Amino acid sequence: AQTVTQSQPEMSVQEAETVTLSCTYDTSESDYYLFWYKQPPSRQMILVIRQEAYKQQNATENRFSVNFQKAAKSFSLKISDSQLGDAAMYFCAYRMPGTASKLTFGTGTRLQVTL
Amino acid sequence: EPEVTQTPSHQVTQMGQEVILRCVPISNHLYFYWYRQILGQKVEFLVSFYNNEISEKSEIFDDQFSVERPDGSNFTLKIRSTKLEDSAMYFCASSEVNTRGADTQYFGPGTRLTVL
Repeated sequence: AQTVTQSQPEMSVQEAETVTLSCTYDTSESDYYLFWYKQPPSRQMILVIRQEAYKQQNATENRFSVNFQKAAKSFSLKISDSQLGDAAMYFCAYRMPGTASKLTFGTGTRLQVTL
Repeated sequence: EPEVTQTPSHQVTQMGQEVILRCVPISNHLYFYWYRQILGQKVEFLVSFYNNEISEKSEIFDDQFSVERPDGSNFTLKIRSTKLEDSAMYFCASSEVNTRGADTQYFGPGTRLTVL
């Protein structure tokens, strides 16, 4: 079974600084998707970024980028120029391609942004 | 921008009662999902649904749970006889289809279920 591990329960970053959240996963598959979702205090799950395993190029979305290391099964999220609105719980998730396949989530990292 | 909606936002019920949680997926999406998140824990998959039938379900999704797409827009999760441990945030998600199968899942705002 696939597992997703987030080893940092909490992280803190100063406004305007850069922070990296870690995620590792375990799978025997060669083709899959990886995601980062953000969950603010409202508890809504918001998609931040996605990466397809067959693509070597790391995904970027504005201030958010990933470092995808397929051989190491590592998928970290870098947030640049952190803003107060980035404070949230961040979940890493894994999914295989195919019909209606489920997301497997990590336990999350709570990010605090300080002035 | 299209979004997944869920009602109610908060449901309080007595143990043993039936509840129905409602979701309206994004209109052109064909895959639908329910997840739950017990307070302070990670998000767990319950069930996926496609073409009017269950595609996959987890061990959590036992006989007390059922899903239905009663019309062209709603997707519901029913819990027949709620238990205290069913208290959680329930998220609905939907995804469209691409050439490689189901695409990215977009989540609704969740329904907080409290069982007393």
